[in-house]
Amino acid sequence: NAGVMQNPRHLVRRRGQEARLRCSPMKGHSHVYWYRQLPEEGLKFMVYLQKENIIDESGMPKERFSAEFPKEGPSILRIQQVVRGDSAAYFCASSPGQGAGNEQFFGPGTRLTVL
Amino acid sequence: GENVEQHPSTLSVQEGDSAVIKCTYSDSASNYFPWYKQELGKRPQLIIDIRSNVGEKKDQRIAVTLNKTAKHFSLHITETQPEDSAVYFCAASKAGFQKLVFGTGTRLLVSP
Repeated sequence: NAGVMQNPRHLVRRRGQEARLRCSPMKGHSHVYWYRQLPEEGLKFMVYLQKENIIDESGMPKERFSAEFPKEGPSILRIQQVVRGDSAAYFCASSPGQGAGNEQFFGPGTRLTVL
Repeated sequence: GENVEQHPSTLSVQEGDSAVIKCTYSDSASNYFPWYKQELGKRPQLIIDIRSNVGEKKDQRIAVTLNKTAKHFSLHITETQPEDSAVYFCAASKAGFQKLVFGTGTRLLVSP
């Protein structure tokens, strides 16, 4: 059973460009969470999605950031018009959605660098 | 909202010693408390978790204790080894499929 997959692993963008980050949850997992980790800091929640629905976006900036988890395909975190402060590691985690509850398993992350 | 505090921020021990990392949480509705280990440049890995219906859980050299009254939970690592060196994060979440609120991390260094 493959773990949580994220791509790309590293992404370099210039200020003003768009960044698109992808996350494929573990097989059988229907819940996806996105977290951001600034250098030398902890993980901060951004958004929680189930298939085709955003459940909680309380940690996601209202402007420039959006997320989706379509019926088919990976979850996408999209950052428009990136700024230097967006440079961070973006991790997604997935959860089974049943059984034991809220165990979350993390992907390898996408390290975004904004020049 | 929930707030999780974690101490110490750095911890240096000799190989074979025990290490203890402590966290406190603010929201009494939280009932799930996982611990993650993150090596440099790698993903956070779930190492142990505890739910509010138990006070202690053990897995080989790792144990977690929970005091619901005081809203404290702690990670205990016995017989530390150099490969235990990493950053450890505690987290808390409420019932159901809720976000994790993380502590600020503890950098553990185990010297041979």
